[in-house]
Amino acid sequence: QKEVEQDPGPLSVPEGAIVSLNCTYSNSAFQYFMWYRQYSRKGPELLMYTYSSGNKEDGRFTAQVDKSSKYISLFIRDSQPSDSATYLCAMTHNTDKLIFGTGTRLQVFP
Amino acid sequence: DTGVSQDPRHKITKRGQNVTFRCDPISEHNRLYWYRQTLGQGPEFLTYFQNEAQLEKSRLLSDRFSAERPKGSFSTLEIQRTEQGDSAMYLCASSWTSPTGELFFGEGSRLTVL
Repeated sequence: QKEVEQDPGPLSVPEGAIVSLNCTYSNSAFQYFMWYRQYSRKGPELLMYTYSSGNKEDGRFTAQVDKSSKYISLFIRDSQPSDSATYLCAMTHNTDKLIFGTGTRLQVFP
Repeated sequence: DTGVSQDPRHKITKRGQNVTFRCDPISEHNRLYWYRQTLGQGPEFLTYFQNEAQLEKSRLLSDRFSAERPKGSFSTLEIQRTEQGDSAMYLCASSWTSPTGELFFGEGSRLTVL
């Protein structure tokens, strides 16, 4: 079993839809949770960062962490075609290295 | 700030040949990471450096793989006697030692082993 599980998708939604992306994990020591976005043929870039449990909002993006369930989510409101990318969850317990999920490919069509 | 740069961007080689990738991190960053990413998968950790010291190596990094970071600046990742299973995107990232663990990635070096 992988430490971090993520539904690979692909997920195809119309412009303006609310998108929910999720990851589960098995290591209860994880404390730092991130979402990276990766466009085709590019390296991942940090989108959201959350420490421990709770919610964090940044514009159209909301990250949620539920440590009791070992479950994290990323919500995208009013999705745009420019949001089409692969979304990777990542986490760490001591910031030495990040463990990534497999990534969910999202396509937002006009 | 020129970001993390990697070279070459794409390398095609024959099985059994050696290849070397170079990564130039963001200059102020003291940590440098190598990840490997195959199609449809997330990045898999290979190794990381803090300054010139290699602090951790994944078990994915067989003895055919070696990484260096002389003088704590750029890094090289060498793969000896390449195999077709080595075909992947090799991503380099750099960061400060910080609680956020935010990594800044380069665009990657794609290896194709024929």
